[in-house]
Amino acid sequence: ETGVTQTPRHLVMGMTNKKSLKCEQHLGHNAMYWYKQSAKKPLELMFVYSLEERVENNSVPSRFSPECPNSSHLFLHLHTLQPEDSALYLCASSLTRRLPAFFGQGTRLTVV
Amino acid sequence: QQQVKQSPQSLIVQKGGISIINCAYENTAFDYFPWYQQFPGKGPALLIAIRPDVSEKKEGRFTISFNKSAKQFSLHIMDSQPGDSATYFCAAFGNEKLTFGTGTRLTIIP
Repeated sequence: ETGVTQTPRHLVMGMTNKKSLKCEQHLGHNAMYWYKQSAKKPLELMFVYSLEERVENNSVPSRFSPECPNSSHLFLHLHTLQPEDSALYLCASSLTRRLPAFFGQGTRLTVV
Repeated sequence: QQQVKQSPQSLIVQKGGISIINCAYENTAFDYFPWYQQFPGKGPALLIAIRPDVSEKKEGRFTISFNKSAKQFSLHIMDSQPGDSATYFCAAFGNEKLTFGTGTRLTIIP
């Protein structure tokens, strides 16, 4: 148990659906991240929040919309996704952006 | 452009043997090199890390060897056990960004 909790663990959604992924940490960390993990590809950094402010957006399509209401919670809102968006979505946190991140267990997303 | 190259993609080692995974980087701004271990159904977990001012770091059966001039680093797992079977990712940290390799699926056979 890393202290970073993601829900749901699995999600199947149609291309016209709207859903949200949730991440929660009570480690006192100030930075939170969304990563995408696809088979045989390096982990792709999607978004970084530091002190609840988005500090990095790595050219992610607008159908992915992050939200960080406070330093303990991070959401990823999904709408009109494509089948190629199917992947494992990982949330991570760190004390500051200088430190390597601690990861949650991920949400396995399947877009049908 | 992939900034951290990892090899091999998969590796099979007999129990008790030494597992070796290699990584190479290009960006000299990287100043911290962690390794992550990921079991099926789990997120990556930090395993061991090294800074470029040392050539080796050992924690139990896990050792990182670092060659700054060659811009290469490797993970050695001594006395490999079936419980070590997992996917291992090297990474490099610099300019407030963590860049991952593509991963190595390690299987330890009896």
